[in-house]
Amino acid sequence: SQQGEEDPQALSIQEGENATMNCSYKTSINNLQWYRQNSGRGLVHLILIRSNEREKHSGRLRVTLDTSKKSSSLLITASRAADTASYFCATAYRGDYKLSFGAGTTVTVRA
Amino acid sequence: DAGVTQSPTHLIKTRGQHVTLRCSPISGHKSVSWYQQVLGQGPQFIFQYYEKEERGRGNFPDRFSARQFPNYSSELNVNALLLGDSALYLCASSLVLRESGTDTQYFGPGTRLTVL
Repeated sequence: SQQGEEDPQALSIQEGENATMNCSYKTSINNLQWYRQNSGRGLVHLILIRSNEREKHSGRLRVTLDTSKKSSSLLITASRAADTASYFCATAYRGDYKLSFGAGTTVTVRA
Repeated sequence: DAGVTQSPTHLIKTRGQHVTLRCSPISGHKSVSWYQQVLGQGPQFIFQYYEKEERGRGNFPDRFSARQFPNYSSELNVNALLLGDSALYLCASSLVLRESGTDTQYFGPGTRLTVL
């Protein structure tokens, strides 16, 4: 079963706008990771945020983590057509060796 | 450096057949994981291997098996294929396996399996 749940399921924005998607999970985590997938191909790692961190940045990406609410958000600023993809959050639990993925958010950036 | 490689890219099989999927991790990575991604869903964990030993297994039937070789490459085998096994099979590698939980995993492009 999916552990993380992304919201919304789909998002359509204009080029240059910001895109925000959320991820909720159920139990305490060791870290949370965000991945991008283009057209059903391999996953590309974007950011890893550990349970003792609250915010991380990487280029146009900003990730926040609220462990009290068991939620995370991914913000893509100044979106581009190349950002069109599916975005997945994946949780890693202490002592567990697997990643648990949500169903993903499909982002479409219109030119 | 080369990323994670998988072969074949696409595969078409019929029900009841057997399939072997292959994965080569990033050079120096000792951990390999396998995931199944059905269309429209997120990846589901199948197996993880580290230093040639199975370290984790997901909720998949015994028809699914895997192994890791001394060079850290890996094979995923699926017997008695069912229509529901049609999916993208992803391999991921990571440098080490931390007891505190899995670290960044780097994914290959996947093998698209179609079962007719």
